Amino acid sequence: DVKVTQSSRYLVKRTGEKVFLECVQDMDHENMFWYRQDPGLGLRLIYFSYDVKMKEKGDIPEGYSVSREKKERFSLILESASTNQTSMYLCASRDGNQPQHFGDGTRLSIL
Amino acid sequence: AQSVTQLGSHVSVSEGALVLLRCNYSSSVPPYLFWYVQYPNQGLQLLLKYTSAATLVKGINGFEAEFKKSETSFHLTKPSAHMSDAAEYFCAVSSYYGGSQGNLIFGKGTKLSVKP
Repeated sequence: DVKVTQSSRYLVKRTGEKVFLECVQDMDHENMFWYRQDPGLGLRLIYFSYDVKMKEKGDIPEGYSVSREKKERFSLILESASTNQTSMYLCASRDGNQPQHFGDGTRLSIL
Repeated sequence: AQSVTQLGSHVSVSEGALVLLRCNYSSSVPPYLFWYVQYPNQGLQLLLKYTSAATLVKGINGFEAEFKKSETSFHLTKPSAHMSDAAEYFCAVSSYYGGSQGNLIFGKGTKLSVKP
């Protein structure tokens, strides 16, 4: 079974901090994704990656960056955290055209 | 361009009653369609998927959905609701063609409550 692991379930950070959210998948999937989920807005795509060192912007990339140095790991970086980035963050991976598999999410609070 | 509309942000049913969650999609290319479920404080779990084979798709936990091209719909049903079905449900569309077109576009979600 595919396992997508997000390093933290809950995280509290302060405004202006640099924040790293880590995601690891164990199925050698080429495609990885970062979403944020907010009540009433559903899931919105922040960034995605089709291969190592490759990244593409999703629908809401502003204020975020990503890193994919190894195939199994996809990191989301908040360069300077702000309160409007308080949200649930979900990582997913996919093999080819198969359905995406999701991690359990990181609930991030920026104070 | 693709989009998904889920009708009703909250649906409440009694235990044992029919569950019907509505999803309409828009897509300029042949779509793949998905239903995901999210239990509190968890990620999304795939319930079922339509990928251009049979139009009636059966999923896990007794759920099924029917692809109706003429109505651009992919409604989710379950004949008899169980308390454990209480969760948030997301409909999503992607493109048959994969690549960046294979990225999922999600609806805003429907929260299902089940009354005893």
